[in-house]
This record gives sequence, C-alpha cells and structure tokens, in this order.
Amino acid sequence: EAEVAQSPRYKITEKSQAVAFWCDPISGHATLYWYRQILGQGPELLVQFQDESVVDDSQLPKDRFSAERLKGVDSTLKIQPAELGDSAMYLCASSLGQGEGLATDTQYFGPGTRLTVL
Amino acid sequence: GQNIDQPTEMTATEGAIVQINCTYQTSGFNGLFWYQQHAGEAPTFLSYNVLDGLEEKGRFSSFLSRSKGYSYLLLKELQMKDSASYLCAVRDSNYQLIWGAGTKLIIKP
Repeated sequence: EAEVAQSPRYKITEKSQAVAFWCDPISGHATLYWYRQILGQGPELLVQFQDESVVDDSQLPKDRFSAERLKGVDSTLKIQPAELGDSAMYLCASSLGQGEGLATDTQYFGPGTRLTVL
Repeated sequence: GQNIDQPTEMTATEGAIVQINCTYQTSGFNGLFWYQQHAGEAPTFLSYNVLDGLEEKGRFSSFLSRSKGYSYLLLKELQMKDSASYLCAVRDSNYQLIWGAGTKLIIKP
C-alpha cells in the first residue's frame, strides 16, 4: 500500500538552530500539505502545494519558515531560526488533488516529525 | 468565522457503543471527513460524508445532517485499540479543510 514518507521521525534542536523536514508524497498525488499540530489541537495548515506551485501559505510564518517542492514531487520544510514555540508535530499529507473530484479529495498523512526545541 | 466543535474527551466501556458528535459553521460545505489519530501518530482516514444520511463501514458509521450542520461518528463493539483521538474536518467553499480539535476517546475494560 502506498504511503507518505517523512523524515526524520524525531528531531531535538536548540533554539536559534536551523531544522529541515522532508516529505515524499504518495506517487501520483499532485497536492502536498504541511501541517503543524500541537498536542490536543487539530492540524493547522502551514502550506499547500499543487505540483510545484504554492496554493496557500497564508498561515506560514514566513520570517522563519520556508517550504519548497521544486520538482513537484518531494518537499522540504525548513525553520530558521527555531524557537521554543515551534515544538510540535509536523505532518505532511498528500492527495490526488486533480480533476472533478475535489470535494471527495482525501488527504493521506505521513507518520509525522516530532520536533522538540530546547 | 469558521468553527468546528467536538467534545474534548469521552469515556466508554469495551464492547459498548459510543457516539462522537461534531457541529460545524463554515463558509460553504463540500463534505465532512472523520479521521482517527492514535497518540503520537498521524491521522488516518475513516470516512467521508457529503450527502445527508448514514454511511456504514464495519464497526464504524458516520452520519451527516447538512441542514443542522451536524455529524456524528458511531463506533460499535468497542475495542481497546479504538482508544484514540477522532478528528472531524469540513471542506469549505474554497475546498479547504477546516479541522476540529479532536475528541479523545478513552476505552475502559
């Protein structure tokens, strides 16, 4: 069964350091999402890609966060510098995101990266 | 603003039935999703409703009433492995998913 891959699974860093997360979506999925989830809350969308283009990055703190999906396949999310408040689970999801089925377009999640900033 | 409400936590007994409610107020409606999330893991897709009524999938069923802005997830024959958080998410008129905070379900023997 096809899955979304993410690495690393866990990351511990000190504040002011740079961190990067990688995501490889399910093959053939045009849409890729990066979410941040704090314990006890629902996922918060950070950025959405359609192929290599950013569709929505309205909630991305652009002074310290960046995301890219250069060839429209895998993606990297970077934080520089990391702050204590960035400690959270970072989830990547993908969906087909094409054609007439947008209403039923289902997002499938990777295992996530648990970030701890000390 | 857009809002999704779910109970924060529920407790049920192994073998019993539990109903998790979700009410929503969104800009438009293009479907409602339920996801299951075990502690420390990623959400996994459970069900999708876009028309009023009940969708059944084995031990899990999901109901939707668009006129009331209401859905529920029904879990039957509860097992210990059903202990998890259950997330309700609504797709709005811009096809964006609006997420609830999730309901933590605790199953007791």
